[in-house]
Amino acid sequence: DVKVTQSSRYLVKRTGEKVFLECVQDMDHENMFWYRQDPGLGLRLIYFSYDVKMKEKGDIPEGYSVSREKKERFSLILESASTNQTSMYLCASSLFGGNQPQHFGDGTRLSIL
Amino acid sequence: AQKITQTQPGMFVQEKEAVTLDCTYDTSDQSYGLFWYKQPSSGEMIFLIYQGSYDEQNATEGRYSLNFQKARKSANLVISASQLGDSAMYFCAMREGGQTGANNLFFGTGTRLTVIP
Repeated sequence: DVKVTQSSRYLVKRTGEKVFLECVQDMDHENMFWYRQDPGLGLRLIYFSYDVKMKEKGDIPEGYSVSREKKERFSLILESASTNQTSMYLCASSLFGGNQPQHFGDGTRLSIL
Repeated sequence: AQKITQTQPGMFVQEKEAVTLDCTYDTSDQSYGLFWYKQPSSGEMIFLIYQGSYDEQNATEGRYSLNFQKARKSANLVISASQLGDSAMYFCAMREGGQTGANNLFFGTGTRLTVIP
């Protein structure tokens, strides 16, 4: 079974802090994704990556950056956390190919105070 | 414009009955794919079923089937013989473009299904 592991289930940070959310997958997937999920809005794509050191902006990249130094690890960085970034963050990975499903981690519920 | 529309914020179904969750999509691509995911209260997203735009048969996976009506741009999920464990949020999602390359998805806002004993 594919395993996508997010480093924290719950995280509380302060406004202005630099926040790192880590995601690791164990199935040698080429593609990795970061989403945020808010009630009534579904999942919105922040960034994705289809190879090491490659990244592409999604629908809502503002205020975020990402890093993919190794194939199995995809990090989401909040450069200077703000209260409107309080949300559920979901990481996913998939094989290369449009018919391949994305496999998700359990999510990180991030609160910015 | 929304690429994926799920018009039912909440649905109720009696245990053992069938239920249809609606999904319509908007794309000008000829090649695209449609996915359904289930999210229980624990939060993880579980892949259920996939339909490619060129697939002639409706996709089925166990108790899940996808009623794909291309002309109407709809991809409704049908769950047969509902079980209490089916209570969850259900998301429809679409991948645009061909089968190669990154497969980033557009998600709908979800439908919360409650199965009544």
